[in-house]
Amino acid sequence: DARVTQTPRDKVTEMGQEVTMRCQPILGHNTVFWYRQTMMQGLELLAYFRNRAPLDDSGMPKDRFSAEMPDATLATLKIQPSEPRDSAVYFCASALSDRPRMETQYFGPGTRLLVL
Amino acid sequence: AQKITQTQPGMFVQEKEAVTLDCTYDTSDPSYGLFWYKQPSSGEMIFLIYQGSYDQQNATEGRYSLNFQKARKSANLVISASQLGDSAMYFCAMSVNTGNQFYFGTGTSLTVIP
Repeated sequence: DARVTQTPRDKVTEMGQEVTMRCQPILGHNTVFWYRQTMMQGLELLAYFRNRAPLDDSGMPKDRFSAEMPDATLATLKIQPSEPRDSAVYFCASALSDRPRMETQYFGPGTRLLVL
Repeated sequence: AQKITQTQPGMFVQEKEAVTLDCTYDTSDPSYGLFWYKQPSSGEMIFLIYQGSYDQQNATEGRYSLNFQKARKSANLVISASQLGDSAMYFCAMSVNTGNQFYFGTGTSLTVIP
């Protein structure tokens, strides 16, 4: 049963600390997305990669957020330094995008981040 | 401009009845995909159903069907024979330009009443 995995599932940290979230996409999927979900803003697309190359990170605060794909099986989202307003659920999703038609995104369980 | 509009913040349905969740979209690209996701209280996002803009028939997946009206730019989700486990948030989403742009609606909270 192929699925996207994310670690950690929950993270509580203090303001100013570095936070790293990890995502393992479904094997064979070549597109990875990072989303943030809050009650106020709903689901926001932060960044996404295709074939490990960043395609769009316009939704991400550049001064403190960074996203990378060191290899095809790992995507990371880092916040440094973290702030209380970063508290949210962060989702990773993956898709197979090698056809002209739209590809379904499959979501991981999310990382619930609380910055005190 | 909002790309995906879900006008029903909350809906109630009696168990075993059918319910329609509304979704309208806005794009000038002729090639796009429409998706519905379910988010139960546990928080995970579960893919339900997909409709491509060139698909001639409405998509169906078990008790879920997508009422695709291209001229009206609507992609309503129909859930037949509602079950208590259907209580969740439902998100409509659209992918445009071969997946380079992806938009989510604000969601509809569905409550199934026993």
